[in-house]
Amino acid sequence: AQSVTQLDSHVSVSEGTPVLLRCNYSSSYSPSLFWYVQHPNKGLQLLLKYTSAATLVKGINGFEAEFKKSETSFHLTKPSAHMSDAAEYFCVVTPLLGGGFKTIFGAGTRLFVKA
Amino acid sequence: NAGVTQTPKFQVLKTGQSMTLQCAQDMNHNSMYWYRQDPGMGLRLIYYSASEGTTDKGEVPNGYNVSRLNKREFSLRLESAAPSQTSVYFCASSEPQGYSYEQYFGPGTRLTVT
Repeated sequence: AQSVTQLDSHVSVSEGTPVLLRCNYSSSYSPSLFWYVQHPNKGLQLLLKYTSAATLVKGINGFEAEFKKSETSFHLTKPSAHMSDAAEYFCVVTPLLGGGFKTIFGAGTRLFVKA
Repeated sequence: NAGVTQTPKFQVLKTGQSMTLQCAQDMNHNSMYWYRQDPGMGLRLIYYSASEGTTDKGEVPNGYNVSRLNKREFSLRLESAAPSQTSVYFCASSEPQGYSYEQYFGPGTRLTVT
């Protein structure tokens, strides 16, 4: 069985300060892990993915995430927030070796960025 | 290359009416999915199609039917809409790339049932 828990439903930061969005997962399979971003009234766009290679994964727009197996975590970070980062972010887990239909989405974290 | 397209973008239905949501992808992907998104619940899988000619139920299939018309197109039908089906509906597609089963999403259909 798989599950994903995004530990914060809302995060608020000031522009130029670091961003941390937390995600814990559980999986009976070796997992692939993803972060997606959804801007208002838009579809989901892939930010980055982990698929058993390097544990520190770099994505688009300066975001990165670190896979920590011992902590079953895949937290998303960015050194300096920009106003355009305000959006909803989803942590997603799927089995490494197949089964797109087994993909599980977290409930989402809404990021607010203050000027 | 349009990716995943969905029509319509918005729809308002009265209880009991029917409608079909259309989805098409031009990436030659075998697998396609329909999700619904409700506040605070992430995305939940309604139906999926692992390949042309096959469809299977996901987590929340009640009240919906699907058709995989060909490799490109995957439609979702509401036979008798209910207020509980008010939601945002996303279509997605995927194709394995090594170990990655990344999904590509359409822009969504915002459905209100009154």
